Amino acid sequence: KQEVTQIPAALSVPEGENLVLNCSFTDSAIYNLQWFRQDPGKGLTSLLLIQSSQREQTSGRLNASLDKSSGRSTLYIAASQPGDSATYLCAVRPQNAGGTSYGKLTFGQGTILTVHP
Amino acid sequence: DTEVTQTPKHLVMGMTNKKSLKCEQHMGHRAMYWYKQKAKKPPELMFVYSYEKLSINESVPSRFSPECPNSSLLNLHLHALQPEDSALYLCASSQPMGLRGEGSYGYTFGSGTRLTVV
Repeated sequence: KQEVTQIPAALSVPEGENLVLNCSFTDSAIYNLQWFRQDPGKGLTSLLLIQSSQREQTSGRLNASLDKSSGRSTLYIAASQPGDSATYLCAVRPQNAGGTSYGKLTFGQGTILTVHP
Repeated sequence: DTEVTQTPKHLVMGMTNKKSLKCEQHMGHRAMYWYKQKAKKPPELMFVYSYEKLSINESVPSRFSPECPNSSLLNLHLHALQPEDSALYLCASSQPMGLRGEGSYGYTFGSGTRLTVV
């Protein structure tokens, strides 16, 4: 059974710091990994999608890496800002035995990030 | 259009009421999902529709009844809910993957419906 773990559970940093959020998964048989951001009481906003064949993806101040063989992904946030404060979730789309077509995401528990001025 | 739209944003209902949550997407995605999220927890999958057919029911109580009228719409009908059903209900869409894993797509989530059962 696929399990996804995110470390740390919470992180508080001063504005301007570079930071790294970690995600690990137990089964390397995945199609892709997706990082989401969630503001309190809101839906999930997709930040980055990494295919299993890719090593990293970048969008603005965000960079996500994927090491499928070791079951790890990191989300790097450069020059953090108070507006980055949110919960960050990683989710893997595991390969399905039997060829089912819908793909069931497995989520980590999230990292709560607070960036203070 | 790259959005998933959910209505209403907030809903308060009594335990004897019948209500419906609605979800709409116009990205041409053929897989749609209902998730339930409790405070400080990740989303939990409830239902999956693939090509307008129910593919997964994660042992959800029958007081939750999903419906997929067409490829753009997904409804969740609610009846005789309990206070513990209060949560954020999220809709998502994606493309189904090919039987050999071709076409690996990400998910797009809506902003959710905050449901309170009184």
